[in-house]
Amino acid sequence: SQKIEQNSEALNIQEGKTATLTCNYTNYSPAYLQWYRQDPGRGPVFLLLIRENEKEKRKERLKVTFDTTLKQSLFHITASQPADSATYLCALDPSRGNNRLAFGKGNQVVVIP
Amino acid sequence: DGGITQSPKYLFRKEGQNVTLSCEQNLNHDAMYWYRQDPGQGLRLIYYSQIVNDFQKGDIAEGYSVSREKKESFPLTVTSAQKNPTAFYLCASSSQTRQGYEQYFGPGTRLTVT
Repeated sequence: SQKIEQNSEALNIQEGKTATLTCNYTNYSPAYLQWYRQDPGRGPVFLLLIRENEKEKRKERLKVTFDTTLKQSLFHITASQPADSATYLCALDPSRGNNRLAFGKGNQVVVIP
Repeated sequence: DGGITQSPKYLFRKEGQNVTLSCEQNLNHDAMYWYRQDPGQGLRLIYYSQIVNDFQKGDIAEGYSVSREKKESFPLTVTSAQKNPTAFYLCASSSQTRQGYEQYFGPGTRLTVT
């Protein structure tokens, strides 16, 4: 069956350290993968998109990698701050050719001052 | 000030009643989506529309209906046939002109059915 797996346990991390989240997928061949941030009771906000022919993408303190052989994406927040505390969702295109997305369940990050 | 609006933020209904959730966007996006989110769960796609007057079922369409009469509007009706309607409902839109672009989400409507 098709799966998008993110760690269900919250990641507690000290301020200033790098937080690393993992997104693994099974039985998909996505053309791209996206990461979103969601705060409690609010809609997700887009952060980064990485395509299958890209190994790495950066935006300010965020970095995403995409390994189509391992079927995995890593999401890094460097120099983490308490304001980075949120749930981070990965999403991919389950059907190449349109803009439909399938989402993982999300991974909560708690940055401790 | 462009974006997506959903109303109301909280909605309470009695079991057996149909209820319609509003979603409006002024981003001039062709594609619009409805998701449902339950506690500890990811977003699950209910319906999506890539163009006016056309829409497709997502992964969990049973008990829901939609319409897309205008580009800006994509209302979702939760019918009495939906067995577990209590959830957080999110509407989103995206540009259809290029593949793989981000979805913009509204603030969500939390529906409680008792």
